[in-house]
Amino acid sequence: GNSVTQMEGPVTLSEEAFLTINCTYTATGYPSLFWYVQYPGEGLQLLLKATKADDKGSNKGFEATYRKETTSFHLEKGSVQVSDSAVYFCALSAISGNTPLVFGKGTRLSVIA
Amino acid sequence: GAGVSQSPRYKVAKRGQDVALRCDPISGHVSLFWYQQALGQGPEFLTYFQNEAQLDKSGLPSDRFFAERPEGSVSTLKIQRTQQEDSAVYLCASNRGRTGGEKLFFGSGTQLSVL
Repeated sequence: GNSVTQMEGPVTLSEEAFLTINCTYTATGYPSLFWYVQYPGEGLQLLLKATKADDKGSNKGFEATYRKETTSFHLEKGSVQVSDSAVYFCALSAISGNTPLVFGKGTRLSVIA
Repeated sequence: GAGVSQSPRYKVAKRGQDVALRCDPISGHVSLFWYQQALGQGPEFLTYFQNEAQLDKSGLPSDRFFAERPEGSVSTLKIQRTQQEDSAVYLCASNRGRTGGEKLFFGSGTQLSVL
């Protein structure tokens, strides 16, 4: 079946540090890949997505590239801010049919000033 | 409404009680999903509706869990004879289309605590 594995947290960084959160997936076919973010006290919201191999999703300074050869979709940001503190979830969805999103366990990021 | 609305925000139940959790999706959204999120875990799929049709209920953990969306808009997740292991945040999400590959809009969830 489809599954997502992401690095365990918590991750604590100083402001302006470089961020990488690793995500790998197992899926049949060619899924769409997503990063969702959950800020404290808020609901999950889509951060970025990529729908085919070599696509790069980007938003708010975050980037992730769909790597079919390594079945990965690592999240990166060059310079994190305190406001980026949140829980980040990697997820996938099969292209066809009504397959729901499959989420990783989440990685908590804390950015300190 | 402007977003997905869930109620109640918090629910405390005694073991054995029945509970009903409500989800108001974004107006016009065809697809509606329910997820269960245990503490420190990612959301786990429970069930999926396309309009009023429940197309996938493979994630419902037991026959104590039941969901409905009778008019294709508001949905209710019902848990009968609640157990402590049912304690979790229950998330509702909707999207415009008919597949799971599109952007999902999530509600803030209902936090259920079973004592």
